[in-house]
Amino acid sequence: SQQGEEDPQALSIQEGENATMNCSYKTSINNLQWYRQNSGRGLVHLILIRSNEREKHSGRLRVTLDTSKKSSSLLITASRAADTASYFCATAAHPGTYKYIFGTGTRLKVLA
Amino acid sequence: EAGVAQSPRYKIIEKRQSVAFWCNPISGHATLYWYQQILGQGPKLLIQFQNNGVVDDSQLPKDRFSAERLKGVDSTLKIQPAKLEDSAVYLCASSSLRSGPRSYNEQFFGPGTRLTVL
Repeated sequence: SQQGEEDPQALSIQEGENATMNCSYKTSINNLQWYRQNSGRGLVHLILIRSNEREKHSGRLRVTLDTSKKSSSLLITASRAADTASYFCATAAHPGTYKYIFGTGTRLKVLA
Repeated sequence: EAGVAQSPRYKIIEKRQSVAFWCNPISGHATLYWYQQILGQGPKLLIQFQNNGVVDDSQLPKDRFSAERLKGVDSTLKIQPAKLEDSAVYLCASSSLRSGPRSYNEQFFGPGTRLTVL
């Protein structure tokens, strides 16, 4: 079963705008990761945030985590056409098992 | 550093036929995962190996799916016999474990094998 659910399912924005996508999960987690998947390709790791962290930055990416609400958000600032992809959150429930459960994904389209 | 390799990239078979997928993980990565990704959904873990031992195969349909990782390196995933609902992309990923209280792992994914069952 899917642990996380991304919201929105699809998002279309203009180049230069910011894109925000959300992930909600059901059980307590050890950490949460965000991945990007370009059409027809494998997934690429973007950023990891641990359960004791509230916010992390990596380049144009900002991730927040609210464990009380069991939710995370991914913000992509100043989006580019190359950011067009599907974005997935993946949660690890049990420390040490390295088993990740992926969400349903947000399909982002950035229009040039 | 070479990435995760998978073959074939595409496969079309008739239902009830057999098919096998191959994965070569990043050198030195102890953990290997096989995922099934149905169109429009997120990847679903089928099986997780650590070295050549199975860590989790709770979502592997064992009546038709099998996987092995001989010598703790390459892995094969087999479907026999295939059903229409097996049409999906099969992704292989590997990771290098970092154990301890701050344990986490980043998974490196291969390009996947797109299976179409007719």
